[in-house]
Amino acid sequence: NAGVTQTPKFQVLKTGQSMTLQCAQDMNHEYMSWYRQDPGMGLRLIHYSVGAGITDQGEVPNGYNVSRSTTEDFPLRLLSAAPSQTSVYFCASSYSTGRSYMNEQFFGPGTRLTVL
Amino acid sequence: ELKVEQNPLFLSMQEGKNYTIYCNYSTTSDRLYWYRQDPGKSLESLFVLLSNGAVKQEGRLMASLDTKARLSTLHITAAVHDLSATYFCAVEPTMNYGGATNKLIFGTGTLLAVQP
Repeated sequence: NAGVTQTPKFQVLKTGQSMTLQCAQDMNHEYMSWYRQDPGMGLRLIHYSVGAGITDQGEVPNGYNVSRSTTEDFPLRLLSAAPSQTSVYFCASSYSTGRSYMNEQFFGPGTRLTVL
Repeated sequence: ELKVEQNPLFLSMQEGKNYTIYCNYSTTSDRLYWYRQDPGKSLESLFVLLSNGAVKQEGRLMASLDTKARLSTLHITAAVHDLSATYFCAVEPTMNYGGATNKLIFGTGTLLAVQP
């Protein structure tokens, strides 16, 4: 299994440009999520999904869109990039949701995004 | 506002010494996760703590959870240089009716530097 994969690894954008960060997992996990990591702030949840066709907002959703058309893929779209979105973005997935399962999340390698 | 606070934020210790990292949180939860992150790398799951009084050990690391005190600890025994990394705790808040929220709220991390 490849686990959680993310593309690209690095990206530089100009203010106002749009792009999509790709995330895929081959573990048949129900739950997928996107985080951003900024120095001194830990990881903050952007959006998450508990299954195909279901998404919800996290702590910092503004400026980002997501969709989940398949179990495997969970792309993150930046609609109009801003310098404040310069960050490292991590995608994560876990086996299942609900109280009967532990939500141990497995993280992808990350995408380093710089917005000029 | 939900807060997850780790202390210390930075820990420099000598090899062979013992120390504890603390993780306090401000919401109802009986699910807590510890992760390790090496510089420039992704997050690696260390421990999953799913109930009050849970204790997990792996090598020189031991994690515990006290849900009544809303406190988790990560104890390091006889530190070695290979343990140098940033350690994050993450809390999964519990819904009022006891259900899962499927969201992880991360602490800001503890940067551990083990000196020879």
